[in-house]
Amino acid sequence: EDKVVQSPLSLVVHEGDTVTLNCSYEVTNFRSLLWYKQEKKAPTFLFMLTSSGIEKKSGRLSSILDKKELSSILNITATQTGDSAIYLCAVHNTGNQFYFGTGTSLTVIP
Amino acid sequence: NAGVTQTPKFQVLKTGQSMTLQCAQDMNHEYMSWYRQDPGMGLRLIHYSVGAGITDQGEVPNGYNVSRSTTEDFPLRLLSAAPSQTSVYFCASSYQTGQETQYFGPGTRLLVL
Repeated sequence: EDKVVQSPLSLVVHEGDTVTLNCSYEVTNFRSLLWYKQEKKAPTFLFMLTSSGIEKKSGRLSSILDKKELSSILNITATQTGDSAIYLCAVHNTGNQFYFGTGTSLTVIP
Repeated sequence: NAGVTQTPKFQVLKTGQSMTLQCAQDMNHEYMSWYRQDPGMGLRLIHYSVGAGITDQGEVPNGYNVSRSTTEDFPLRLLSAAPSQTSVYFCASSYQTGQETQYFGPGTRLLVL
């Protein structure tokens, strides 16, 4: 059974902290791994990863894929209250299906 | 571009009623999909389509029908609503290249009594 598992389920940090969110997957015919941010509405795209070991970066956020370990991490440095959201990991297979994890709920306290 | 639009935003149904959730996109995306999001379950794929006239089942298709007569529209039909279908429904679309992310609509909150 294809599945995506995220950890931790929830996280509370103070502004300025650095956080690491984890995503592991067991999905046949892997095509890509995607990270989304969801703030009470629709998910918005953060990163798409297809190649192992290549870091993608956008401001204070970065992500990397490890195909050998079937996992990915999302790092957020110098967290701000605006980073409070649910972070979703999804895996896209070559059969055109997307499998989502349950998400990590991040709360950043001022 | 309006992106991905969904109607209605909120709907209350009685058990056994039928209804159609509408989804449209103006980005000429080949791929469209429907998800439901439940607490603790993440997003689960219901049905998807890789182009007009082509649809396929996702992870949780039972109780739902779809059709894709045009590139722009991808309606989701609930044939006989059940309380277990109470959820938030998201429509998403993307190019078919595999190098593009999905763009999500704003969601429809459905309550089945």
